[in-house]
Amino acid sequence: DTGVSQDPRHKITKRGQNVTFRCDPISEHNRLYWYRQTLGQGPEFLTYFQNEAQLEKSRLLSDRFSAERPKGSFSTLEIQRTEQGDSAMYLCASSTGTGGLETQYFGPGTRLLVL
Amino acid sequence: AQSVAQPEDQVNVAEGNPLTVKCTYSVSGNPYLFWYVQYPNRGLQFLLKYITGDNLVKGSYGFEAEFNKSQTSFHLKKPSALVSDSALYFCAVRDTGNTPLVFGKGTRLSVIA
Repeated sequence: DTGVSQDPRHKITKRGQNVTFRCDPISEHNRLYWYRQTLGQGPEFLTYFQNEAQLEKSRLLSDRFSAERPKGSFSTLEIQRTEQGDSAMYLCASSTGTGGLETQYFGPGTRLLVL
Repeated sequence: AQSVAQPEDQVNVAEGNPLTVKCTYSVSGNPYLFWYVQYPNRGLQFLLKYITGDNLVKGSYGFEAEFNKSQTSFHLKKPSALVSDSALYFCAVRDTGNTPLVFGKGTRLSVIA
């Protein structure tokens, strides 16, 4: 399968613990996005990369969140000192092209539950 | 700021009947508009997009969407609904720059046999 993959698919953790999620984009897609989706809501933008450069961060991305894309391929999203409010589905998307040619393709998501 | 409204939380339709899922948007410039579908415990799957040109856009699985600039709408349609179309549908918008997508809250479509 050549789609976007995410690992793990599910994560249960205790409040205060750190968690890290991984996203592998579609091969040769230069842009990679992270979104968060809570129950009953649409996905909300967190941050995005063009190659290895992190170009934009949402105000939703508090200091406890950090994302990297060290070699312009896979990306990691780390949440430090998790809180119950961090419980959500974390979605990764990748894309290529510019302007109207860009379409974001999403992975299956990582569902996080903070107890 | 960009925004999307999906006025219906739930749409119920009988199998074989036409379906419409509504979406209105607000952007400062010209919009790029998207529809995605989400099945339970899955990520979002791209259905179709509007860039420019023909106001009727055809997408995957027999879905189409009609762009109406004067009404700032981009409603999703299908002539004949299937039970397997039951899912959560999201409308999204971005302006003509390379910006992230802004999503609506989603509409749950239930197709009843």
